[in-house]
Amino acid sequence: SQTIHQWPATLVQPVGSPLSLECTVEGTSNPNLYWYRQAAGRGLQLLFYSVGIGQISSEVPQNLSASRPQDRQFILSSKKLLLSDSGFYLCAWQNTGELFFGEGSRLTVL
Amino acid sequence: DAKTTQPNSMESNEEEPVHLPCNHSTISGTDYIHWYRQLPSQGPEYVIHGLTSNVNNRMASLAIAEDRKSSTLILHRATLRDAAVYYCILSADRGSTLGRLYFGRGTQLTVWP
Repeated sequence: SQTIHQWPATLVQPVGSPLSLECTVEGTSNPNLYWYRQAAGRGLQLLFYSVGIGQISSEVPQNLSASRPQDRQFILSSKKLLLSDSGFYLCAWQNTGELFFGEGSRLTVL
Repeated sequence: DAKTTQPNSMESNEEEPVHLPCNHSTISGTDYIHWYRQLPSQGPEYVIHGLTSNVNNRMASLAIAEDRKSSTLILHRATLRDAAVYYCILSADRGSTLGRLYFGRGTQLTVWP
């Protein structure tokens, strides 16, 4: 069966520090992969999606970037975090008719 | 992107049916209607989706209006574990960009014992 994993689950970072969140999917090949962010009390905001290795589409211009170095690996990065980057980051992969989400990574920028 | 409108919150008693409404007056003929729910500190979970006909699965039922401008998610017997934020979402593409789902703020469902 397919599974999706995200890490780290929780992190606290100072403003201006770099960020790397990793997401991996098991049990499927060539999945569509997505990064969402949820600010406190808000809905989910689509950040990036990828339909294949090296193929990244950005939904919202911002301080973040994404990469897909391997078929089942999706990485969210930032060179310098802002306070506004705080939130709950969710990776997801697509199966026909459904979107499956990871456990999430809660980022607090201080 | 076609938008949806949902009440901010709803309440129900345990073991009673719950009808969660969603308005999508600008829906196009090819838009699918999806429902997800999100428990606290977790990622959203797929509930159900449909196009024109009513749909049933083990979690819920989806009733779609004849003009498709609204839909209702039906939980037949609410349990405490159904307390969550429920999102109604439209997607125009069932193919490679299905995941471009735009989540609003959803409906916070509270279930009382």
